Amino acid sequence: NAGVTQTPKFRVLKTGQSMTLLCAQDMNHEYMYWYRQDPGMGLRLIHYSVGEGTTAKGEVPDGYNVSRLKKQNFLLGLESAAPSQTSVYFCASSPTTPNTEAFFGQGTRLTVV
Amino acid sequence: GENVEQHPSTLSVQEGDSAVIKCTYSDSASNYFPWYKQELGKGPQLIIDIRSNVGEKKDQRIAVTLNKTAKHFSLHITETQPEDSAVYFCAAGPGYSSASKIIFGSGTRLSIRP
Repeated sequence: NAGVTQTPKFRVLKTGQSMTLLCAQDMNHEYMYWYRQDPGMGLRLIHYSVGEGTTAKGEVPDGYNVSRLKKQNFLLGLESAAPSQTSVYFCASSPTTPNTEAFFGQGTRLTVV
Repeated sequence: GENVEQHPSTLSVQEGDSAVIKCTYSDSASNYFPWYKQELGKGPQLIIDIRSNVGEKKDQRIAVTLNKTAKHFSLHITETQPEDSAVYFCAAGPGYSSASKIIFGSGTRLSIRP
């Protein structure tokens, strides 16, 4: 049982480059989330989705876009990477009922130089 | 909006002693309070959660207490062991259906000294 899988695990980008982070879950969860984790700041929500074909902004959405074309996948895009986007990115999913356990992926460490 | 403050940011305890991590929240409508443990190189994992209709919940060596009047909740780990070393996050979520509203604290790095 894979749970939540993130691809890639590590990436280094140059300023201005674009990339897409892929999140896949095999638990048939409706809700999916993208967080960024920075030292001393905990986990901050970037974007989330409450079902296939839906997306919504979280706490820190600027500079990111997302898509949920398939229920099991949630993609996070950076169109023009900036050094401020250097962070560890976590994807998570949870069942239909909100305020229940969220299952996290192993994270993607992104460095923008 | 909701704000969750977590203290301390780092905590070192002797193996076998107890550890306590405290969080406060600002939104009185919050009624779901999970705690996550993050081991090195891994994603956070839920270890215990509590809802506002109870004041305390215990699962083996870990317990969480909630004081809704004071708007604070705490994680207690007794008889600490080396495998308890990790970063712990508290969070607060609303009572209504809104996936975006679970807010995390800034984390506590717990180290267990042998």
